[in-house]
Order: sequence, then C-alpha cells, then structure tokens
Amino acid sequence: RKEVEQDPGPFNVPEGATVAFNCTYSNSASQSFFWYRQDCRKEPKLLMSVYSSGNEDGRFTAQLNRASQYISLLIRDSKLSDSATYLCVVLKKHSSASKIIFGSGTRLSIRP
Amino acid sequence: EAGVTQFPSHSVIEKGQTVTLRCDPISGHDNLYWYRRVMGKEIKFLLHFVKESKQDESGMPNNRFLAERTGGTYSTLKVQPAELEDSGVYFCASSHVRYVYEQYFGPGTRLTVT
Repeated sequence: RKEVEQDPGPFNVPEGATVAFNCTYSNSASQSFFWYRQDCRKEPKLLMSVYSSGNEDGRFTAQLNRASQYISLLIRDSKLSDSATYLCVVLKKHSSASKIIFGSGTRLSIRP
Repeated sequence: EAGVTQFPSHSVIEKGQTVTLRCDPISGHDNLYWYRRVMGKEIKFLLHFVKESKQDESGMPNNRFLAERTGGTYSTLKVQPAELEDSGVYFCASSHVRYVYEQYFGPGTRLTVT
C-alpha cells in the first residue's frame, strides 16, 4: 500500500463547477501537508499548505482530518486555468529528519 | 527574482555512460532537494542538502548516484554508469531556512537512457 494515496482521476468537470479531491496517508506520524499543482510537462508548484484548522485561499479550501488520516482540496467556481494535476504532499518524521512523500496526483480537466 | 534553474533540460545517453545534472537554487535558499519522477510513478525524494551538507540522502537509489553541493550554492547530481531504469524527470527544489517545506521547483531535467 502506498504511503500517500490519491484518486488518479481524471476529473472532468464544467467551468464554474465545484470539485473536491481527497488524499489519504497511512502514517500517523505525518506532520505537515501540502497541495501542489503540476501542469503538463512542467514542474510542481506549491498551491497551499494545509493547516489543522483548515484554510482557504480564494476559491481553494484545504481541510485536514487527522483522525481519518486524509486531507482534501475543494475548488469552487472552477476556471479553465485550474486544469492540472494536483499533488498531495505529506511530510513525516523519519529518524532525526523528515521525509517528503508525494502522491501520484489527481488529474483535473475543466471543460468550457 | 530568478527561480530554480536546471541544466540540461533534456539529456539522452546510452546505458553505461555518465551524466551530470546541475541545479541552481533560488539565491539565499539554504535547502536544496533532488527528486525523480519515473514514467507513470509518483515523484520520489532523493536527497536534501542544507547548505553544503547532506541532511538526508535516504532516497538515493544506489551508489551510482552522487550528489554534491560544494560551497553551498549550486548542486550537481551525477549518474555513473547510467542504467535504463534511471530514465525519468529529475527535479530540483529549494526552500528558505525559515519556510523549509515550502519548496520551489525547477523545470526538471528529462533523462533518457537508451
């Protein structure tokens, strides 16, 4: 079983729709959580960190559920430019350091 | 402000050859990371430098991979000798000492071993 699991998609939704992705992680020692977006053949870019109390950045809302070990990303009023792969990233304690673990990503395609 | 840069953008080499990838982090970023994405798989951590020191190299696949960051500025990742399974996209990322895990990625080097 992968340490970070994401539904690969693709999610194909119309412009203006609300879409949500989940990501589950297996290690309860995981400390920090992030969402990155990656456009086709480009590098990943940090979208937002995920805080325990949940956080919002414009049309994007991230939630963390430590009890169930998942994080979510909600995109409201989706735009064509939101089409990308969304990567869930988890940081967990490993010996004296921290390990960064990427999910495989969820592909989102917004249609006009 | 210039972002993370990587060179070359593409490299095609034959099995058994040597390739050296270079990463220039954002100026002032002490943390530098190397990652690899093999086709169809998730991005995997390779190693982490803090300035010139290797903080964590637990993700390095084997001793054919050597990373250096002399002087704590740019970093190189050498693969010698290259094998077919080394093909993939190698990303470098950097972060500021105060925001360690808010990483900025370079465009990647696409390595093809034939």
